Amino acid sequence: GDSVTQMEGPVTLSEEAFLTINCTYTATGYPSLFWYVQYPGEGLQLLLKATKADDKGSNKGFEATYRKETTSFHLEKGSVQVSDSAVYFCASNDYKLSFGAGTTVTVRA
Amino acid sequence: DGGITQSPKYLFRKEGQNVTLSCEQNLNHDAMYWYRQDPGQGLRLIYYSQIVNDFQKGDIAEGYSVSREKKESFPLTVTSAQKNPTAFYLCASSIGAPWKVQPQHFGDGTRLSIL
Repeated sequence: GDSVTQMEGPVTLSEEAFLTINCTYTATGYPSLFWYVQYPGEGLQLLLKATKADDKGSNKGFEATYRKETTSFHLEKGSVQVSDSAVYFCASNDYKLSFGAGTTVTVRA
Repeated sequence: DGGITQSPKYLFRKEGQNVTLSCEQNLNHDAMYWYRQDPGQGLRLIYYSQIVNDFQKGDIAEGYSVSREKKESFPLTVTSAQKNPTAFYLCASSIGAPWKVQPQHFGDGTRLSIL
């Protein structure tokens, strides 16, 4: 079945550092891809999405490009802030939404 | 403001007891979902409903039941048959078709613990 594999954490960074979280997917069809963010004690919020190959999703300084040839959707941000500390989930949706295990990111001042 | 409301935020269950988690949305979304989140794991789908009076089992439906009598509401019952119910439960909704491009909107979750 469809599945998502994302970089294991935890990841600890200093403020203004560059963040990359790797995500790869397996799917029989052509899924839509999503990144969600979860702050402590809360539900998930959609961060960005891409629905077809070569689409770039972006929001709040985060970006991810749908790479069909490498079946990847890596999340990047050029300069992180303390407020970016959260758990990040990659997800793919072909016939149902499948989530990665989540990556905990901690940004230190 | 439109959104998804889950209640209660914390819930405690005694052995052998059924408990019901509430999920209400005012987004006018057709589809609703229940997920279970365990530490260090992604979300696993329990049940979903694409339309009123219809619902389907997800990957881990055993020990759970749902109903969808109204568009706005999708309560989840954790029955005594669920032997390991301690988890964080998340309810979500989406607009509907086309299913695979619509993002899901999540509530703030209910944390269930066993006494």
